[in-house]
Amino acid sequence: GQQLNQSPQSMFIQEGEDVSMNCTSSSIFNTWLWYKQDPGEGPVLLIALYKAGELTSNGRLTAQFGITRKDSFLNISASIPSDVGIYFCAPNQGGKLIFGQGTELSVKP
Amino acid sequence: GAVVSQHPSRVICKSGTSVKIECRSLDFQATTMFWYRQFPKQSLMLMATSNEGSKATYEQGVEKDKFLINHASLTLSTLTVTSAHPEDSSFYICSANPIREIYNEQFFGPGTRLTVL
Repeated sequence: GQQLNQSPQSMFIQEGEDVSMNCTSSSIFNTWLWYKQDPGEGPVLLIALYKAGELTSNGRLTAQFGITRKDSFLNISASIPSDVGIYFCAPNQGGKLIFGQGTELSVKP
Repeated sequence: GAVVSQHPSRVICKSGTSVKIECRSLDFQATTMFWYRQFPKQSLMLMATSNEGSKATYEQGVEKDKFLINHASLTLSTLTVTSAHPEDSSFYICSANPIREIYNEQFFGPGTRLTVL
């Protein structure tokens, strides 16, 4: 089956610091999506990537679709307390999303 | 835009009863909706793909007779957990795929917390 590894599992950072997380896979995907989930809520779409090598920003968030189509990273610059939550990569293949294990982000004011 | 609602947000039921969860796309139409289950501290696991006007496609290991899915219109899908047991307690989340050019995006509902006593 497809293997998807998301790292790190958790991060504890100081407000204002930059954050980086990534996902790697043994499979090739056509789309990489990044979501954020707050406790007790559904995931919210942050960034969608559709082309290998594509680099896309959404405010303080930047994500890239790896050139091999097997990986993606998400960067958050100048973190703030409301960035706290769980971030998931979710590549799409055949219309289905495969969710990574998640990166739990904690931001200390 | 791209708002998905779920009802109820929380439900507590007795073992052996059935529970219906609704998923609605409020400002767009969706031929395809998805149902996920999420256990505490875990990732989302796809249960089934719901297609408007046809039978749902279930993932391996998901009992189709226990988790009944109906996709009656382009804005509504329902999941019924039949004869619920405590092990069915979980966070159930739906998502919808808008009918538009960028077909790979999925927008999620707020989830339904099911507790079976």
